[in-house]
Parts: sequence; structure tokens; C-alpha cells
Amino acid sequence: DVKVTQSSRYLVKRTGEKVFLECVQDMDHENMFWYRQDPGLGLRLIYFSYDVKMKEKGDIPEGYSVSREKKERFSLILESASTNQTSMYLCASSLPDVRSGANVLTFGAGSRLTVL
Amino acid sequence: KNQVEQSPQSLIILEGKNCTLQCNYTVSPFSNLRWYKQDTGRGPVSLTIMTFSENTKSNGRYTATLDADTKQSSLHITASQLSDSASYICVVSGVESNYQLIWGAGTKLIIKP
Repeated sequence: DVKVTQSSRYLVKRTGEKVFLECVQDMDHENMFWYRQDPGLGLRLIYFSYDVKMKEKGDIPEGYSVSREKKERFSLILESASTNQTSMYLCASSLPDVRSGANVLTFGAGSRLTVL
Repeated sequence: KNQVEQSPQSLIILEGKNCTLQCNYTVSPFSNLRWYKQDTGRGPVSLTIMTFSENTKSNGRYTATLDADTKQSSLHITASQLSDSASYICVVSGVESNYQLIWGAGTKLIIKP
């Protein structure tokens, strides 16, 4: 089974702190994604990467940056955390479904970040 | 605007009963539709993927239907079990990009013993 591991399940940070969220996948997937999930809203894509050192902005990239130095690792960085970044952050990796060509996402367990 | 709307927002049923969750979308042109199950405190897990040419797809006690003409999908759960308690999320992908998915807000399903 593909495993996507997020380093921290729960974090509490103060406004203005720099925050690193780490994500590692062990199945050689090329594509990796960072989403945030808030109550009553669908998942929103922050950034994704389809190759090492490549990154693409998603729907809500403001206030975030990412790093993909190795294929298996995709990091989300909050340069200066703010209270409106309190959320559940989900990392995923994917490869295309053989039949449909659709990207099948495998998610990590999530990192719940609280910014005070 | 591309949107995915799910109903009901939440649902409580007794163990052993059946239920149907609805998904309406406005994504066009359409590529595929997925249903995910998300247990509390966990990441979503894929249940089914359907392309526009598929009407029905089953995965155990889960059966998804798709009507690409009316842009509607449903997820039917048969003989519910306590472990079915979760959020069920409908996700639609357009043709332009296989990376950009439109996520519904989910239906929270609670199974009572």
C-alpha cells in the first residue's frame, strides 16, 4: 500500500512564526499536492508538484510556499503564520489510474495547525 | 463557475439501513467524478472513479451512479455498518487539467446502532 506520511498531526504556533509541514510518500509517485480543509468547505488546493523542483500554484497559494528537493518529499512552508491559516492541512500523492487516466490521490492523515 | 454541491449536509441512519447521498456539479467539460470517504481525523480515501461513459460503479456495499446529461451523481450505501460513519466527498475533474479537482463540501454520515 502507498503510504503518505505527514510529520506532525497537531501543531500550535504563534502569529508570525515560520511553520514547516513535511510530507513523505514511499511509492515513487511523481505528483504531490498540498490542500487545506476547513469546515463546510471543499478541499482547496494550495500547491502541487509534478516533478522534483517543479511547483505549481493551486487555488489559494497566498501566504504559502513549497519545496520539492527530492521526489518523495514535499514540504509546505508558512513564512509568517497568521490566525486565518488555522486549518487542517492534507498532503497527497498520485499516479494516473490505468483505466481512466485520472490522477488517483492517496492522502496522508493530515496536520491540524492552530495559529494563536 | 465550476462547482460541486452535495446533499444532504449531514445524515443519521440506523445500522443496517440503506442510504443515498447526492452530488450535483456544474464542471464543464467533464472528465471524471470520484467519491472519497473520510473518517474523522484521517485523510480521504478513494471509493470510486467514474468517467462520463460509465453509469454505475460498485465497490462492495457502495454503488455510485452518474448521469452526465443532468450532471448528477449519487452514492448508495447498502446495509450500513457502524464503520460507514464518515464524511463522503464528491470530487469532479474537468478536461483541461487532471491536477485541478473541484471538491464538494461532503456529506457527514452517522450510523447509529
